[in-house]
Amino acid sequence: EPEVTQTPSHQVTQMGQEVILRCVPISNHLYFYWYRQILGQKVEFLVSFYNNEISEKSEIFDDQFSVERPDGSNFTLKIRSTKLEDSAMYFCASTEGGNTIYFGEGSWLTVV
Amino acid sequence: LAKTTQPISMDSYEGQEVNITCSHNNIATNDYITWYQQFPSQGPRFIIQGYKTKVTNEVASLFIPADRKSSTLSLPRVSLSDTAVYYCLVGDVSNDYKLSFGAGTTVTVRA
Repeated sequence: EPEVTQTPSHQVTQMGQEVILRCVPISNHLYFYWYRQILGQKVEFLVSFYNNEISEKSEIFDDQFSVERPDGSNFTLKIRSTKLEDSAMYFCASTEGGNTIYFGEGSWLTVV
Repeated sequence: LAKTTQPISMDSYEGQEVNITCSHNNIATNDYITWYQQFPSQGPRFIIQGYKTKVTNEVASLFIPADRKSSTLSLPRVSLSDTAVYYCLVGDVSNDYKLSFGAGTTVTVRA
């Protein structure tokens, strides 16, 4: 079964550093998403991306965050200057549109 | 997006059927009902989706009454490995579909 893959699985970074989380969505999918889940809390929507542009973003997705699809297969989330409160599991997801959204296994980010 | 209400937790034993009911009184005409499962430190996994009546797959069944204001996820003969958080989500799956997760229902299966 096709799956969304994410790297790294776990990253520890110092506060103020830039972090890039990478995702390879399922190949024929057109819509891409990033979600995050702070430990013990619910899964929160960050951003959706379609046709090479952001289609919707949440209040969490401020100027410190950016997304990019640098080539035909990767979808990245960049946090420019990490804060302690950015520590969370970040999930990439994709869908071909109109039905199931598939999630990756997540990238666990720890900011120290 | 329609608001959903589901129990915070449920306990069960191996081999039993687990039914989780979700209320979504403000469901819109174009909204579908989708259930996801999440294990600790893993991404949510799609279980089942439906619009009305009954949907069944190899994992679960989804019952949706005619008024669509609620739905029930049925997990037949659960095992210990079904211990997880189950999320009920309601939304329009057409065009720029996004999911908004609530707290979900923590199902604990005991031996």
